[in-house]
Formats: sequence, C-alpha cells, structure tokens
Amino acid sequence: KNQVEQSPQSLIILEGKNCTLQCNYTVSPFSNLRWYKQDTGRGPVSLTIMTFSENTKSNGRYTATLDADTKQSSLHITASQLSDSASYICVVSVNPLNYGGSQGNLIFGKGTKLSVKP
Amino acid sequence: DAGVTQSPTHLIKTRGQQVTLRCSPKSGHDTVSWYQQALGQGPQFIFQYYEEEERQRGNFPDRFSGHQFPNYSSELNVNALLLGDSALYLCASQGRDSYQGEQFFGPGTRLTVL
Repeated sequence: KNQVEQSPQSLIILEGKNCTLQCNYTVSPFSNLRWYKQDTGRGPVSLTIMTFSENTKSNGRYTATLDADTKQSSLHITASQLSDSASYICVVSVNPLNYGGSQGNLIFGKGTKLSVKP
Repeated sequence: DAGVTQSPTHLIKTRGQQVTLRCSPKSGHDTVSWYQQALGQGPQFIFQYYEEEERQRGNFPDRFSGHQFPNYSSELNVNALLLGDSALYLCASQGRDSYQGEQFFGPGTRLTVL
C-alpha cells in the first residue's frame, strides 16, 4: 500500500526561528511530491511541487528538498512568523496514467502541526 | 478568478439524515475530486469526477454518492448519516493544463452529525 509518513506530528517554535519538517514515502509509481499548508478548518494551499528530477524548490521562506533515492523530502521554514502556524501536509502524486486506485492519485501524509509562538 | 468554492461552509445534521454538499471548480478546470478529512488526519479520497462520470472511487460505502454537472460543478451526497461522518469535506479541482496535475482545494464544508 502506498504510504506517506510525516514527522514530527507537532512542533512548537518561537517566532523568528527556523524549522524543518520531514516526509518519508513509499509510493509507486511516483509522479511528484507536494507540500501543502492548511490553516485550521480551511482547505490546503499548495506551497511547492517537485518532480523526480528536482531536488530543491523554494517559495519565499519555504524551501522543499527531495531525495528520490531515499524517498525522503523535507520542508524548511526560515525566519518563522506567527502566520506560519498551520498544518503542513506532504502529498505524493501517483503517476496519473495509473487510474483506478482506491487511494486516488494523491497520497496524503497526516501532516505536521506547527505552532509559532511570540 | 474565484478559485474553488464550496457551499455551505458549515452544516449540522442528525444521524440518519441526508446531506448534499456543493462544489464549483476553478475556472477552466474539468475534474473534481472529493475528500473527507477527520480532525487531525490527512484527507481521505472519496471519488473523482470527470466528464460527468465517476472516474475513481476510494474506500467509502455506497452511502456516499456524487454527481458532476455539464458546467463541471459537482455535488457530494451522503445518506443515512452516521456520527463518524462528521468531518471537513474538501473539494479539489484540476484541469488538463494543471502543472503536474496540481489540484486546487476549496475552503471545505464542515459537517457535524449529532
């Protein structure tokens, strides 16, 4: 079964500090890996999308890395702000040509809940 | 561009009732997927609609059904509601030109079953 595991489950940091969130996956056939930010009670918003050949991608203060050999990804947040408090979800996309799976084309992790304190 | 919209925002129902949730995809998108997200969990795939037909389905009972209209909007229907159906229901849309099949999520409908 395709799976995405995220760590830590939750994290508390002080405003201005950096942090790194981890994602390990066993998904085949791999298409791409995405990081989403989800505010409480709201829909996820895409931060980055990386294909097999990309090993790093940035979006402002967010930098995602991908190691396709070890099937690991990380999301690094620099100079955290109070508004960064949210859940961060790692999502791996199955090759869209392989329709029919009961999990759908997106395999979601359970997310890391980040709290940024003043 | 209004993005993906969902209605209603919140809904409270009692066990045994039926509910219909609605989704309008992002302009230019023709594929709609529905997800159920329990508190503290990642979204679980319910089904996906394309060209008014269910293209994929997750491990959800037949109580969960859907529909897609010619304008690509979609409905999710849940019959005989159970307490365990309480969750955030997310709709996501994508188009043929979506980069890497990126799905754009709506704000969700919070369903509470009492």
